[in-house]
Amino acid sequence: EAGVTQFPSHSVIEKGQTVTLRCDPISGHDNLYWYRRVMGKEIKFLLHFVKESKQDESGMPNNRFLAERTGGTYSTLKVQPAELEDSGVYFCASRDGGENIQYFGAGTRLSVL
Amino acid sequence: QKEVEQNSGPLSVPEGAIASLNCTYSDRGSQSFFWYRQYSGKSPELIMFIYSNGDKEDGRFTAQLNKASQYVSLLIRDSQPSDSATYLCAALLFSGGYNKLIFGAGTRLAVHP
Repeated sequence: EAGVTQFPSHSVIEKGQTVTLRCDPISGHDNLYWYRRVMGKEIKFLLHFVKESKQDESGMPNNRFLAERTGGTYSTLKVQPAELEDSGVYFCASRDGGENIQYFGAGTRLSVL
Repeated sequence: QKEVEQNSGPLSVPEGAIASLNCTYSDRGSQSFFWYRQYSGKSPELIMFIYSNGDKEDGRFTAQLNKASQYVSLLIRDSQPSDSATYLCAALLFSGGYNKLIFGAGTRLAVHP
């Protein structure tokens, strides 16, 4: 069974550009999370989907970030326009509703120049 | 004060020794605790989780939880060079009925032959 997959693995963009990150959760997992780790800091929660609904978006830094999960399968996280401080590793995780374990993808490393 | 604190290390131990990784948390509402291992550029991989006071053992790994002291630890017996990685401690926090992981910054473990 495939794990959580994220695409791209690495993205380099210039300040002001737009980037879209994608996450494919483990098949059947209704819960999908986005987290971010900026340089030297801990991994921080961004938001949580249950199916296609945003259950908790308290960690989203500002309105330049837009997450979607149309159809309740894969999710995208768009940053528009990107700023230098958005650089970091963006992780996606998914969870089966019957347990508390979150399974993580390998992350997308975003570099904003 | 950070919600979950870990010593960043590196923690260096000789092969065959016991590695002791420690974590403290500030929110007494935290329900469960997770130890993830992360190799460079890879996804965080769940090693152990614990939600009851005391010890929980799985092979060479033992997780310990002391809710009164708000302290979690991970012991790795017979450490191997392949155990060299960053170990992430995370607390499961329920907020408004939903759940999310609060991570520490991670401890780098180096096991030398």
